[in-house]
Order: sequence, then structure tokens, then C-alpha cells
Amino acid sequence: DAGVIQSPRHEVTEMGQEVTLRCKPISGHNSLFWYRQTMMRGLELLIYFNNNVPIDDSGMPEDRFSAKMPNASFSTLKIQPSEPRDSAVYFCASSLLTGGETQYFGPGTRLLVL
Amino acid sequence: QKEVEQNSGPLSVPEGAIASLNCTYSDRGSQSFFWYRQYSGKSPELIMFIYSNGDKEDGRFTAQLNKASQYVSLLIRDSQPSDSATYLCAGSGSSNYKLTFGKGTLLTVNP
Repeated sequence: DAGVIQSPRHEVTEMGQEVTLRCKPISGHNSLFWYRQTMMRGLELLIYFNNNVPIDDSGMPEDRFSAKMPNASFSTLKIQPSEPRDSAVYFCASSLLTGGETQYFGPGTRLLVL
Repeated sequence: QKEVEQNSGPLSVPEGAIASLNCTYSDRGSQSFFWYRQYSGKSPELIMFIYSNGDKEDGRFTAQLNKASQYVSLLIRDSQPSDSATYLCAGSGSSNYKLTFGKGTLLTVNP
């Protein structure tokens, strides 16, 4: 099985630009999570989808962040406009069920906003 | 705010020793706990999960859970240099889907 796929793996952009991160969960998994990891704050949950529906977006830092899941095999996280403080590693994870089951992480996107 | 606390380390042990990693949590409603290993520049990967009080063993790894004390630990026996990584503790919380992660403990196993 391919595992969770994320693209791009690295992104360098300038402040004010739009950034789109992409994720393909493991086939058959019905839960998808977007996380952000920084040295200061650790690993933080941004948003959680179940069966393509956003269930909990309380971790989304502000309106500049948005996420979509148009189908079971694809999700995007968009930052518009980006700011230097958004620089972090963004992970997508998926799991099979909603009951606190094991989450499998993708390789992450390392974002640097200049 | 629900928190999971870990000693940031670094924790340094000699090869062959037992490494003990500790974690406390504040949400008494937490049901399940997970230990993830993260190598530098890589993504977290699951080592073990535990949801019952007591010990759970898997090879060289033993997870321990004490819900009364709100304490979770991971023991790594016969530590190897390849175990050198950051270990993340996570609790499921009462929501059951939402994992709250600690900031991780950096473990170094010296040959």
C-alpha cells in the first residue's frame, strides 16, 4: 500500500503568496487530519475530516487557512495570504475509523515563507 | 486546555541500556494513548498504543498506563543507536478522534 501521499515535499514562497498543500490518504481510510509541527508548539491538529466532511476545524489558526476534501482520496490545505510565521512542517494523516484509531502520517510538506 | 506533557530531554543512554520515556496528561476523559517515533526530518510513525491500565509489551518496547496517576510511559529495552529519535506521546482525549501530542522527548543512544 502506498501510504499517505503529500505534495509538494518542500515549498518556499514569499510573504503574501497563496500556498496549496495536497494530500492523498490511504485508500479505504475515512478520517483525514491536517497537522502543523513547529519547534515551539510541537504537533498541532489543524482540521479533521470524517467521510469528507469537516468535523473539527478549531485548530485552524485564522481565516487565512482553509481546507477542503472534495472526495475520499484528496484533500487540500490552503494558506492565503501566507506569512513568515506560517513556516512549519505540515503533515497529513489518515485513519480507518473515528474511534481514536491509529493515525498514519504522510511525509509532510516543509513550508518556508520568506 | 487539555495537555500532554513530556520531558523534552535530551535523554541519553548507552547502547544496551533501558530507556524510559515518560508522559503525563491532564484530560481524565482520555481513553487511548499512543507512542510515536519521529526521526529527524521524517514523519511520526506509530510504535505502540495502549488503552488499559497496566503494561503492554511488543518486542523491546513496553508501554505502561496508570489512569489514576494520569501517567503513561514507554520503556525501550536493549536500546540501539537506531532508536535515537524523538518520541511523541499522544492522548485521544474524550472526543476519541482528536489526538493531543506532547512536544516529544529526544532520545540519543550512544554506541
